[in-house]
Amino acid sequence: NAGVTQTPKFQVLKTGQSMTLQCAQDMNHEYMSWYRQDPGMGLRLIHYSVGAGITDQGEVPNGYNVSRSTTEDFPLRLLSAAPSQTSVYFCASSYSAAGGITDTQYFGPGTRLTVL
Amino acid sequence: RKEVEQDPGPFNVPEGATVAFNCTYSNSASQSFFWYRQDCRKEPKLLMSVYSSGNEDGRFTAQLNRASQYISLLIRDSKLSDSATYLCVVTPNSGNTPLVFGKGTRLSVIA
Repeated sequence: NAGVTQTPKFQVLKTGQSMTLQCAQDMNHEYMSWYRQDPGMGLRLIHYSVGAGITDQGEVPNGYNVSRSTTEDFPLRLLSAAPSQTSVYFCASSYSAAGGITDTQYFGPGTRLTVL
Repeated sequence: RKEVEQDPGPFNVPEGATVAFNCTYSNSASQSFFWYRQDCRKEPKLLMSVYSSGNEDGRFTAQLNRASQYISLLIRDSKLSDSATYLCVVTPNSGNTPLVFGKGTRLSVIA
């Protein structure tokens, strides 16, 4: 299994540009989520999905859209990039959001985004 | 009070030392508890789950105190390779509720 994959690994955007961060998992996990991580702020949840066709907002959803048309893929779209969105973005998946004490969140390697 | 709080550190300890981190959580209905490890510029990875009775995995011991609403991680005989950020993770309740991550405690083990 490849686990959780993210593309691209690095990206530089100009203010106002849009782009999509890709996330895919091959573990048949129902739950997927997107986090951003900034120095001193920890991981902050952007959006999450408990299954295909179902998405919900996390702590910091503004400026981002998601969709979940398949179990495997959970892309994150930046509508109009702003310097405040410069961050490291992690995608994660698990069998369920909080189904039991053995649930493990598997993270992708991250996308490092810089918005100029 | 924040949902999950951790001392950010850094904890600078010599090789072979024993070090302990605490993490407090605000939601008394929280169901599951974990410690994740994150190396510099890498993704977080599960270190261990935390069971009500406490559990051990080699040099690592995790404990849960529901009455005082905190979990702890004890690392014995610290190795240089233990240098990382340790994230406390809590599930607010059962069902489809996202995990809540603490901001992490940074550990640096020095030769």
